[in-house]
Amino acid sequence: GENVEQHPSTLSVQEGDSAVIKCTYSDSASNYFPWYKQELGKRPQLIIDIRSNVGEKKDQRIAVTLNKTAKHFSLHITETQPEDSAVYFCAAILPGSYNTDKLIFGTGTRLQVFP
Amino acid sequence: NAGVTQTPKFRVLKTGQSMTLLCAQDMNHEYMYWYRQDPGMGLRLIHYSVGEGTTAKGEVPDGYNVSRLKKQNFLLGLESAAPSQTSVYFCASSYMGQDYEQYFGPGTRLTVT
Repeated sequence: GENVEQHPSTLSVQEGDSAVIKCTYSDSASNYFPWYKQELGKRPQLIIDIRSNVGEKKDQRIAVTLNKTAKHFSLHITETQPEDSAVYFCAAILPGSYNTDKLIFGTGTRLQVFP
Repeated sequence: NAGVTQTPKFRVLKTGQSMTLLCAQDMNHEYMYWYRQDPGMGLRLIHYSVGEGTTAKGEVPDGYNVSRLKKQNFLLGLESAAPSQTSVYFCASSYMGQDYEQYFGPGTRLTVT
């Protein structure tokens, strides 16, 4: 089955610096890769996603890159701010037959942005 | 719109007791999901539903049952709770398949003693 590995488990950066979180997946048929942000005590929320037909996607200060050959994708946050502090989860689809796809999450990265 | 709501927010059970967690969504979404979140293990899919009257197993289904009698509701049942089921449970829904944005509920913190 699909296995999604996420690194690092914790990341501390100074405000204004960039942060990069990396994930690898095992199933070459995976075609959808979302990133969710979970603030302390809150619910996860989608911040960006990418499909396998593109290599990069940007939304203001966040971007995601996908390398299908190497089976890894990364989240890039530029000009980090204290409100970026949260746990970030990557995920990848485990393809199945009709209506049996499953979204498999990584174990999360706790990002701390220090002022 | 309330989005996705969960009942209850907190619960403490003794080993062997049963309970049902209720999830409701008012977005007319087809797909609904139950996850558990444990420290260092991310979100793991317990069961999911692709539409009213359907259910399917996720990654960690053992010890749980689900029902989707109405499109807007997805129930998670624990027949005989065990300490290993101590966790935070999140319900989510998406418009269609698992390659659509999932909207999560606020979570239920369950402790089994």
